[in-house]
Amino acid sequence: SYELTQPLSVSLALGQTARITCGGNNIGSKYVHWYQQKPGQAPLLVIFRDDIRPSGIPERFSGSNSGNTATLTISGAQAGDEADYYCQVWDNSVVFGGGTKLTVL
Amino acid sequence: QLQLQESGPGLVQPSETLSLTCTVSSGSISSSYYYWGWIRQPPGKGLEWVGSMYYSGSTYYNPSLKSRVTISIDTSKRQFSLKLSSVTAADTAVYYCARHQREYSSSRYYYYYYMDVWGKGTTVTVSS
Repeated sequence: SYELTQPLSVSLALGQTARITCGGNNIGSKYVHWYQQKPGQAPLLVIFRDDIRPSGIPERFSGSNSGNTATLTISGAQAGDEADYYCQVWDNSVVFGGGTKLTVL
Repeated sequence: QLQLQESGPGLVQPSETLSLTCTVSSGSISSSYYYWGWIRQPPGKGLEWVGSMYYSGSTYYNPSLKSRVTISIDTSKRQFSLKLSSVTAADTAVYYCARHQREYSSSRYYYYYYMDVWGKGTTVTVSS
């Protein structure tokens, strides 16, 4: 079965750029989607099809995907961006990464 | 704005069947663009996809749960349901229903899915 690998945690100072990676075998050949989940809330789609932002998602969220790594980038991270982030692909079933906890100091 | 709402028992006995229903607030559940499905999240852990269903009956299930899972749809009620049999404490989780967008990539020659609308989730505890 296909596996996605994410770092457990990423920490950065307010206003810096956060990069959360999602590793998988030849992941660049698949489309990657990203979800943000705040405590006690349902996940929220923030990027789909590698780099497309749904309506209402701030421009500071962007995505890229190539080779064996997809990346979610949050430019100028804000305190409200603190959350768990999950990557997801389709490989004959939905596959999630293990999630990354983003801390904004 | 489309909304999804989960409902069902919050406590299930071990070895019994967990049953949940998701009600879709508006629109047609019979659209060709969507599957409808379930994701769960054990306490303090990550997301685990359970499965999804197309209105016409086509289903996809998580291979690790496939032998115990059944998803069904009632288009007249705008509802879809999850049944998970022979539950154990390991099935304790928040269960989310979600709309699955189904798209085709003509450049990569495959269908792919992502979840664009989620319910708020319902907590199910398996315990005697």
